[in-house]
Amino acid sequence: KAGVTQTPRYLIKTRGQQVTLSCSPISGHRSVSWYQQTPGQGLQFLFEYFSETQRNKGNFPGRFSGRQFSNSRSEMNVSTLELGDSALYLCASSLLDRAGGEQFFGPGTRLTVL
Amino acid sequence: AQSVAQPEDQVNVAEGNPLTVKCTYSVSGNPYLFWYVQYPNRGLQFLLKYITGDNLVKGSYGFEAEFNKSQTSFHLKKPSALVSDSALYFCAVRAPQNNAGNMLTFGGGTRLMVKP
Repeated sequence: KAGVTQTPRYLIKTRGQQVTLSCSPISGHRSVSWYQQTPGQGLQFLFEYFSETQRNKGNFPGRFSGRQFSNSRSEMNVSTLELGDSALYLCASSLLDRAGGEQFFGPGTRLTVL
Repeated sequence: AQSVAQPEDQVNVAEGNPLTVKCTYSVSGNPYLFWYVQYPNRGLQFLLKYITGDNLVKGSYGFEAEFNKSQTSFHLKKPSALVSDSALYFCAVRAPQNNAGNMLTFGGGTRLMVKP
């Protein structure tokens, strides 16, 4: 099975712009989660989607949004970019397994805001 | 709210020696606990998990972890370290409630340096 794929891998934007990141989960996985990784704040949960519905949301401003399509692919959008949004954005997919299934992470999209 | 603490920013160990990377957690109810490893410019790779059952969990690449409920700890261990084990290690917890979904709360990470 192919792993989680994320596009693009690298992105450079300027303050005030918006950006859309894409994630394709492992085939058959219906849950997609997004995380932000920065040196200062570490790994922080952004949101999770399951069956095209947002299931959980982390403590991020409304500039961060996402969606999931019927094929489970997901996108996240950040509007009005700020310098502090520079980070590695990781997508993870899993079977919605109430027994505690692990999440499989993609390689990430490294966003640099200038 | 749940939290995870990894008290050591870096652990140094000589190749062939045993290694331990520490993790303590705080969560309501019985936790789901995970260890992930991250190599430079890569995403996170799953190592092992504790859901229920035997307190000693075995995972990938010879790693294991011991769940200790009374000490709320889930330390990662390996009997004999390899230079290739050098990486960033993350402990994570997921709340057991059904409405928690798959949200993971991560510790700050511990950099493991294995020297030849």
